[in-house]
Amino acid sequence: KAGVTQTPRYLIKTRGQQVTLSCSPISGHRSVSWYQQTPGQGLQFLFEYFSETQRNKGNFPGRFSGRQFSNSRSEMNVSTLELGDSALYLCASSREVTSGRSLYFGPGTRLTVL
Amino acid sequence: KNEVEQSPQNLTAQEGEFITINCSYSVGISALHWLQQHPGGGIVSLFMLSSGKKKHGRLIATINIQEKHSSLHITASHPRDSAVYICAVVSNFGNEKLTFGTGTRLTIIP
Repeated sequence: KAGVTQTPRYLIKTRGQQVTLSCSPISGHRSVSWYQQTPGQGLQFLFEYFSETQRNKGNFPGRFSGRQFSNSRSEMNVSTLELGDSALYLCASSREVTSGRSLYFGPGTRLTVL
Repeated sequence: KNEVEQSPQNLTAQEGEFITINCSYSVGISALHWLQQHPGGGIVSLFMLSSGKKKHGRLIATINIQEKHSSLHITASHPRDSAVYICAVVSNFGNEKLTFGTGTRLTIIP
């Protein structure tokens, strides 16, 4: 069974631009959650989608948004990029909602904002 | 004060030593995850537990719900165990988002 895939793996953008990251979960998994990892703040929860509905959201500004499609693939979007958005963005999938199941992480997308 | 505290922050040990990493949390939880992150960023979920103890190979995870504390043990440590170990909790109040500890960087010297 294929693991969680994320595209692109690396991305360089400039301030003010927007970016879209993609996450394809393991087949049969209906929950996708997104995380931001920075050296200063560590890992932080962004949001979780389950069956195309946003189930939970972390403490991030509205510039961060996401969605999930009927095939469970998920995208996250960051608009008006700031230097502080430079981070490793990870997604994870699970069969059911996060609280009750093991998580399977993708390799991450490393975003650099110049 | 962070909701999830890990100790130690850094740990260096000789190959073969018994390793213990601790995680304390201040909120009520429905589950706790132990994660392993190798250089390069990839994260592997080691355990998810809500009570008692789980064992997988040389890894053992325990949780004490009353004391709000969990430990990850590694027996017969090996250099390939060198990684950052992260504890994460799922709150059982309202928003069930994951809250992460800051991680423990483990280095095993041959």
